[in-house]
Amino acid sequence: KAGVTQTPRYLIKTRGQQVTLSCSPISGHRSVSWYQQTPGQGLQFLFEYFSETQRNKGNFPGRFSGRQFSNSRSEMNVSTLELGDSALYLCASSLAFSPTYNEQFFGPGTRLTVL
Amino acid sequence: AQTVTQSQPEMSVQEAETVTLSCTYDTSESNYYLFWYKQPPSRQMILVIRQEAYKQQNATENRFSVNFQKAAKSFSLKISDSQLGDTAMYFCAFNHNSGGYQKVTFGTGTKLQVIP
Repeated sequence: KAGVTQTPRYLIKTRGQQVTLSCSPISGHRSVSWYQQTPGQGLQFLFEYFSETQRNKGNFPGRFSGRQFSNSRSEMNVSTLELGDSALYLCASSLAFSPTYNEQFFGPGTRLTVL
Repeated sequence: AQTVTQSQPEMSVQEAETVTLSCTYDTSESNYYLFWYKQPPSRQMILVIRQEAYKQQNATENRFSVNFQKAAKSFSLKISDSQLGDTAMYFCAFNHNSGGYQKVTFGTGTKLQVIP
C-alpha cells in the first residue's frame, strides 16, 4: 500500500497570501488529521476530518481551514499568511475503527516558509 | 485538557549504550493509548511503540521498551543497544476518546543524538 502523500513538499509564500496544502491518506483510511510542527512547540493539532466532516478542531484561528473529499483526500487552507505560520505541516491518516485507538500514519509533511 | 510533557529537549547516547527518554501526561481518562513516535532528520514520522492503558505489562518492540507507570502517569521509552539510525526526534503521544471521537496529543519532543 502506498503511504500518506502530501503535496507540495515545499512552499514559499509572502505575508498576506493564502496557501492550500493537500494530503492523500493511505487507501482505506477514513480519518485525516493535520498538525503544525514548529521547533520547541512539537506538534500542534489543527483539525481532524472523518467522512468529509470535521470532527475535532485545535486552537487555531479561523484563517486555518480544511476539508475532506469523498475519496478521503484532504486539503487545508491558510489565508492571510503571517510570518508565524512558517512551519512543517503534517498530515496523518488512520483507520479510525475504534473510538479510543488511533494509530496514525504520517506523511512527509509540507514545509511552508512565509517571507 | 490532556497534556503531554517531555522534559528532555535534547539527549545524547553512545552507540551500543542504553538511553531512556521521559514522558509524563495528565489526564482524568481511564481508557487510553500511549505512543512513541520517531521522526528521523528530514524523514517521515513513524510509530515506534504503543501501550494500552488497561494493560499492566510494558510493551516491547525489539530494542525499544517502555516503562508505563499508570498511577504516576509516566511513560518512558528505553532504547537498548543504541544505533546510529536511532538519531531522531522522539515524540510521546496520548490518544483518548474525547466526545465520542479519538484525539491525539503530542509532547514537544526529545532530540536524540547517537554518537559513534
